Amino acid sequence: SQTIHQWPATLVQPVGSPLSLECTVEGTSNPNLYWYRQAAGRGLQLLFYSVGIGQISSEVPQNLSASRPQDRQFILSSKKLLLSDSGFYLCAWSLSRTGSSYGYTFGSGTRLTVV
Amino acid sequence: TQLLEQSPQFLSIQEGENLTVYCNSSSVFSSLQWYRQEPGEGPVLLVTVVTGGEVKKLKRLTFQFGDARKDSSLHITAAQPGDTGLYLCAGSGYSTLTFGKGTMLLVSP
Repeated sequence: SQTIHQWPATLVQPVGSPLSLECTVEGTSNPNLYWYRQAAGRGLQLLFYSVGIGQISSEVPQNLSASRPQDRQFILSSKKLLLSDSGFYLCAWSLSRTGSSYGYTFGSGTRLTVV
Repeated sequence: TQLLEQSPQFLSIQEGENLTVYCNSSSVFSSLQWYRQEPGEGPVLLVTVVTGGEVKKLKRLTFQFGDARKDSSLHITAAQPGDTGLYLCAGSGYSTLTFGKGTMLLVSP
């Protein structure tokens, strides 16, 4: 069966420090991968998605970047964090980009607090 | 740009009550999904509806896709505290899933 791992679960970082969040998927090949950010108790904002190794689409101009160095690994990074980068970050994977049949499967999220 | 509007934004009810939440759009979707998210966790897929007019039941939850495939509703019968969470609808079109902002449901004992 497929599983998605996301870590760390919580992170407190000072303003101006770098960030690296990692997500890996097991049990499938060539998944579509996504990074979302969620404001407190509200909807999901798509940040990046990837349909293959080295292929990254950015949805919103950010102080963030994403990379996909391996087929089932997706990394969210920042060189210098801002206070506004605080939030709940979710990684997800899907068989199809449209998610039409099986939807998206989400990781358990990372709570990032920038202080 | 395809948008999904969810209503109400917040709902607080007592255990045993019935409720309906809505997901509306001016766009047509090939399918529509409902997710539930508990605090500190990622959303979990509850159901996918594909055909206009389709009704699916999941225990006490009933999901309906509008005839024109632009809207959907989620009805919960005899709500329980375990139903508490954020309910998100998501529409499938030509690109990535489009998510609504969600309905936060609080069921008190």
